[in-house]
Formats: sequence, C-alpha cells, structure tokens
Amino acid sequence: DAGVTQSPTHLIKTRGQQVTLRCSPKSGHDTVSWYQQALGQGPQFIFQYYEEEERQRGNFPDRFSGHQFPNYSSELNVNALLLGDSALYLCASSLMAHRLPYSNQPQHFGDGTRLSIL
Amino acid sequence: AQTVTQSQPEMSVQEAETVTLSCTYDTSENNYYLFWYKQPPSRQMILVIRQEAYKQQNATENRFSVNFQKAAKSFSLKISDSQLGDTAMYFCAFMKHSNNNDMRFGAGTRLTVKP
Repeated sequence: DAGVTQSPTHLIKTRGQQVTLRCSPKSGHDTVSWYQQALGQGPQFIFQYYEEEERQRGNFPDRFSGHQFPNYSSELNVNALLLGDSALYLCASSLMAHRLPYSNQPQHFGDGTRLSIL
Repeated sequence: AQTVTQSQPEMSVQEAETVTLSCTYDTSENNYYLFWYKQPPSRQMILVIRQEAYKQQNATENRFSVNFQKAAKSFSLKISDSQLGDTAMYFCAFMKHSNNNDMRFGAGTRLTVKP
C-alpha cells in the first residue's frame, strides 16, 4: 500500500521562474492538502483540493495555484518565484470527513519537495 | 484565527528518561482536534498522537501520552522511556472540527535523546 508520494525530491529555480510540484495521495484517499515549511518553522497551510476543486485556502498569494486530477493526484504551481518561496513543500492526503467518522481521519504526509530559489 | 505556540525551541533528555513537550493554543472553537507530529531528518511528518477536544480522557499511544487541559488550552506531550529514535522535531497542531484539513502547526520543538 503506497503512501503519499511527492516529486521531485529537490528542485533549484531562479527568481521569476515558475515551478510545478506533484503529489500522489495514499491509496484510497481523495483529499490533498499542501503545506509550505520554511526552514526552522512549522508547516503553513496553503490549500486543499477535493473533487478537483480548491476547498480551503490559507494566507498565500494567487501566485500559488493548484490542480487536482480525476485520479486524486495533485499539482502545486508557483509563479514568479521569490527568494522567500524557498522551503520544503509538503503534501498530505486523507479521506474527506463525511466518508467516515471524522475522528478516524488523520492526514498522511509525503516526504516533501525541497525547493531552493537562487 | 487559531494559533499554536510551542515555547521550547530545543530540549534534550537522557535515554530511558521521561520528557514533556509543551504546547498551548488559542481558539474560540469548542469542537476541534489536537495532534502531535514527529519530523525526523528524513522530513516525513509522522503522526504521534491525536486528541479530540470533546473527550476528557487523555490520549495514550504506547510510550506517548498527552495532558490535555481544555480550559487552559494546553496540550503537552509526555514521552516515557525515551529512545534514541525519538530524536526529531516535534510539532503540535490544531484542526477545527469541520470538513477540511487546514491544520495549524506550532513552530516545533527539537528534541535530542542522548545516550
């Protein structure tokens, strides 16, 4: 049973470029959330996708966008990269709460993509 | 808005000893969930323990237990019989009782278990 997988593992970009990060949820999960974890800090919620739509969004600019595909996998896109976008980007998956008792729905995290902006 | 505060940036403990990590949070919600996640150098966030706010009984998972004080908005993690493999960053997290996975994390506590 594959867990959450993210690609690539590491990525180096320059300011102004655009980047796409990918996530495959754990088998059986239908909801994907993305987090940004700056060095030495806790993860910050970017947004969540369910049924191919953005359902919740944290305090991130429109440069951050995403997509969810029919197979539940997801992409995170960041445009016009800034130095401050350098971080570990984590993907987490779960089963939407109404499918099962909510108390049984922990998120499963991937290993993350380390994005460095030069 | 919900905020999570971990006031101990770093802690250390001797192997086999007990250590307690602190976490406080601020919310106006009555129904919510609290979590402790472990993040070793491998980067993957691993769920350690979870507490539903409506449950008065403190959650326990083997060597890990919590002291949940709802009125004080406190949620500490106790690790008993510390092992070298417990060395990691530990994050406290909060999530509202609703249909979303918007988790709010604290800044983390770096725990080092010494042989």
